[in-house]
Amino acid sequence: SAVISQKPSRDICQRGTSLTIQCQVDSQVTMMFWYRQQPGQSLTLIATANQGSEATYESGFVIDKFPISRPNLTFSTLTVSNMSPEDSSIYLCSVMTGWPYEQYFGPGTRLTVT
Amino acid sequence: QKEVEQNSGPLSVPEGAIASLNCTYSDRGSQSFFWYRQYSGKSPELIMFIYSNGDKEDGRFTAQLNKASQYVSLLIRDSQPSDSATYLCAVGLGGGSNYKLTFGKGTLLTVNP
Repeated sequence: SAVISQKPSRDICQRGTSLTIQCQVDSQVTMMFWYRQQPGQSLTLIATANQGSEATYESGFVIDKFPISRPNLTFSTLTVSNMSPEDSSIYLCSVMTGWPYEQYFGPGTRLTVT
Repeated sequence: QKEVEQNSGPLSVPEGAIASLNCTYSDRGSQSFFWYRQYSGKSPELIMFIYSNGDKEDGRFTAQLNKASQYVSLLIRDSQPSDSATYLCAVGLGGGSNYKLTFGKGTLLTVNP
């Protein structure tokens, strides 16, 4: 498995502002993902962070709202832009190390938008 | 639409009993199947994965897969209060950069001392 860290672990932000979440892995990984988990709900995939190219977004998520960077094989960022209270959630970074495609999660970032 | 269904629970079992968690999936092309445990306030932790029909055992945990029935289950033997958590079933589909997991809503398990 990989050791994954996320910063910040939590934040309280005002409506209309943006927050960038960082994800760092202790080894090179094939794929990195960003998920959202709203209170009492399961995980929803936001996008796959592709190294050296634009992220691949899932239906309902757009680049203008959730820009993602992945400059190398161990680091990615997710920005939540122009936040509203509906963006209050836990944001999770996840990595996959290749076959057999096991996926591991970081500790998460708990975001509250007021 | 690809779906993964789980009973939401809560499932309550006494300490020492067998807990049985079930999951069905809609896409017959699904290739890989995972069980995650999530304690309240924590991120999901991978506990089991299975790719082939049949059973896979790891300590007190056994994953069972039946692709014909599109059914995967997790058995926890000798359940302990520390097993109390939400268990998420996840199904993998696609290849290369298109590979992704779809999660069920999770089953809340409570093990009573």
